[in-house]
Amino acid sequence: QVQLQESGPGLVEPSETLSLTCTVSGGSFTGSFWSWIRQPPGKGLEWLGFIYYTGNTKYNPSLESRVTMSMDTSKSQFSLQLRSVTVADTAVYYCARQLSGSSTEFFDFWGQGILVTVSS
Amino acid sequence: DIQMTQSPSSLSASVGDRVTLSCRTSQNINNYLNWYQQKPGKAPKLLVYGASTLQSEVPSRFSGSGSGTEFTLTINTLQPEDFATYFCQQSYSALRTFGQGTKVEI
Repeated sequence: QVQLQESGPGLVEPSETLSLTCTVSGGSFTGSFWSWIRQPPGKGLEWLGFIYYTGNTKYNPSLESRVTMSMDTSKSQFSLQLRSVTVADTAVYYCARQLSGSSTEFFDFWGQGILVTVSS
Repeated sequence: DIQMTQSPSSLSASVGDRVTLSCRTSQNINNYLNWYQQKPGKAPKLLVYGASTLQSEVPSRFSGSGSGTEFTLTINTLQPEDFATYFCQQSYSALRTFGQGTKVEI
């Protein structure tokens, strides 16, 4: 059973950089896509992007200028950096495994989520 | 971007009811449609992928159908633990998007 756990600061000041890490356990880190998804309080879900175990990335175009994803395969971790944050970036941030097949793709394992508040 | 429209936004139901949730997409996504269940304070849980394939260990009272632009999630014999918010999500385009959710409440 794959398990994911987000970690990082719960409070970030406006204009600063949000940095989160997701630690994966219980499964193979390589051979998978790993995604970040966020959910503002009381609202819907927004896919931020993924990183493949090779290091290739794909970002949501609406955030591409501010987002960087990276990984450390030796620690089975992948990370999110979101620069120049505003209050609109306040959300619960989830990491998830993005499983891709020949004719389907879905998020099958999720972390518990971490609330990040942008405030001074 | 592919727009996702779920209806209704919320519905009231009783234990034992059969409920049907709808998801419509702004363009043809074949069967690249997934359904998730989310309870308050919890991460979403995958229920159905590929429009109609039930994820492992998901009760058989859940079923998904549809293709193209019109999709449905049906819950037969609603159970107390099924009261939650349900999201659809498309994986057809490079920009993965979610619907706004349908809240199923008593």
